[in-house]
Formats: sequence, C-alpha cells, structure tokens
Amino acid sequence: DAKTTQPTSMDCAEGRAANLPCNHSTISGNEYVYWYRQIHSQGPQYIIHGLKNNETNEMASLIITEDRKSSTLILPHATLRDTAVYYCITQGAQKLVFGQGTRLTINP
Amino acid sequence: DSGVTQTPKHLITATGQRVTLRCSPRSGDLSVYWYQQSLDQGLQFLIQYYNGEERAKGNILERFSAQQFPDLHSELNLSSLELGDSALYFCASSVDPGTGPGNTIYFGEGSWLTVV
Repeated sequence: DAKTTQPTSMDCAEGRAANLPCNHSTISGNEYVYWYRQIHSQGPQYIIHGLKNNETNEMASLIITEDRKSSTLILPHATLRDTAVYYCITQGAQKLVFGQGTRLTINP
Repeated sequence: DSGVTQTPKHLITATGQRVTLRCSPRSGDLSVYWYQQSLDQGLQFLIQYYNGEERAKGNILERFSAQQFPDLHSELNLSSLELGDSALYFCASSVDPGTGPGNTIYFGEGSWLTVV
C-alpha cells in the first residue's frame, strides 16, 4: 500500500472551510484515495473516496491532483463537531493501512 | 450508525485470561476486518476474513485468533492476556474483499478491553 503524508495537526475557525492536505506520491494507478475520520475513540467514519476525478458528497469534497500524487479534503463549513483525527489512506490491497492522520481542531 | 455491531462495548479482565470479542457485519457484507488501537500505536490491522476464509493477515499476535462463521459474524479470541493488550478493538466490514468504487469499509464502535 502506498504511504501517505499528512500534517500532524491543523486548526480552523468554525464556519470556515477546512482544507486538509495529503501527499501520496507513490500511489499506483489502481489505488483509490480514501478519507476517514475518528472522533475521540469512536469507530473511524468513512467520509469520501476517489480515484482520479474530484468527488463531492454531503460531508465533504475531495480534490485529487492530475498526477494523483496529492489530494485535499475540504469540509466546506466546519463545525465544532468536525473536530477529529482525519486519515488519508490509499487503498490498493484488501485492507486499509492507517497512518497517524491530521488532528483537526475547529475553534469557535 | 455504520451498521457494524460489536459486543461487548467494555471489558475488564485479568492478565492471563482469555476473552472473545464479537462482531456482526453490515447486512450484505461478506468481508470482516479486525483492527487494534492502543494509545501509542494508532490503528493496526490485525486480520481479514471473507465469506468464512482468512484473506489477509497483519500484525496479529499468535495468542490472538479469529474466525468468521457461516452466518458471517466474526469473533476475535485473545488469550494469555497481557497488560499491553489493553486497547480498543474495532471490527469493520465491506461487501467484497478487494477494492473498488463500491467497496467502502465501515467500522463498528469498538470494544474497549482493559487488562488489569
């Protein structure tokens, strides 16, 4: 599985867009980019995934660069409940391999 | 609610004992995964089953074993427990064992194991 690099922590003001970057420079052609988040020891929650096109759902948007070496998760209007650890994962094999993620803190 | 059910939610046991954690996957999911999360280790993949057969193995200790039953529920057995086994154990499930646009993995809420 390709390795991902994310900032250790980020802060964002409530109501603003939170942009979480992820580098996955060794991603291979058939690997998807998945984003999960974990709120205080709850089970990891699926957010969104994509292969090469940008994706949007009710939770977030995912922007993948054309060379697929990096991506950005966008939470358009962050709320306090979005405070969590966000994991960017590239999935080519059966399992998800989690890194350390980004601890996102939404400030009032 | 992801649809993945884990029991028990909390468990306290003594060193040397054996415990069994149970997982019911989402309806229609054939693949089950187990993960361990301890304070200093992050989320570690342990093992995966698909339709009753083991498909992938991660950092699972020999004292741990798992199985998936014909009704697709899974159990993780932890034996000769040590203090370091204290952790959150997550079960997850997906439709298929591989990857693809529809094969998202969903996690349960976890079982807290405390070994004293």
